[in-house]
Amino acid sequence: GQQLNQSPQSMFIQEGEDVSMNCTSSSIFNTWLWYKQDPGEGPVLLIALYKAGELTSNGRLTAQFGITRKDSFLNISASIPSDVGIYFCAGLWTSGSRLTFGEGTQLTVNP
Amino acid sequence: DTEVTQTPKHLVMGMTNKKSLKCEQHMGHRAMYWYKQKAKKPPELMFVYSYEKLSINESVPSRFSPECPNSSLLNLHLHALQPEDSALYLCASSGRTGADYGYTFGSGTRLTVV
Repeated sequence: GQQLNQSPQSMFIQEGEDVSMNCTSSSIFNTWLWYKQDPGEGPVLLIALYKAGELTSNGRLTAQFGITRKDSFLNISASIPSDVGIYFCAGLWTSGSRLTFGEGTQLTVNP
Repeated sequence: DTEVTQTPKHLVMGMTNKKSLKCEQHMGHRAMYWYKQKAKKPPELMFVYSYEKLSINESVPSRFSPECPNSSLLNLHLHALQPEDSALYLCASSGRTGADYGYTFGSGTRLTVV
C-alpha cells in the first residue's frame, strides 16, 4: 500500500545534539502524527498536527505540518539516551481510516 | 483513562490451536483497529471497526477473525495460523471529538506460532 517517504532511515548522534527527521507524501493528509516505539512495545504518540502550517512543541520535541499538507518534520533538541528508539511519522485522512506510516527512523544516542 | 489495554502480552501457539487476542479502551472512542507489525517495519492495517461495525478488512486471511462485542472491546480470534503470522499485533482506537483524534495504540501482543 501507500507509504510515506521518511528520512533518514537511521541516525547515530552524541548526547546533547539536536535531531531532525522528516516525511513527505505524494498525497495530502488532514492530520500528521509522530510516534516513538521502543522494542516490544506499541507506538506512543508524541505529537499530533491538525492544521496546515501548524507548529507544535512537546517539551524538547517540535513538529510542523507542512503548508502543502504533504510533509512534516520532527525536531528533537538536546538529545538524551532515553530518546533511543524508532520514530514513525503517520498521515491520517480522517478518524476511522488507516494510518499511512513512514518506514521509521532508528535513533541511537551515544552517551 | 487514556489507555488501550491489550492481553495477553505474549502468546505462543501451535498451528492447530485456537486463541484470542483482547483489546479494551475506555476513552469513548468509536473507531478501533487491528494492526500487524513485523520487526523494524511500520504497522500494517488489518481491520477497522467503526461504531462496532467492520468497515475495513485489508484482505486478511480468514484464519484471523475480528469481533467487536461492544464499543469498548475488540477481539481477534486466531485459528490454524502459520509460522509467518508470528508478529507484534497492535490494537488502536481513535475518536472524533473536535480536532483531537487521539489515535492511541496499545502495547501489543507478541505472537509466536510454532
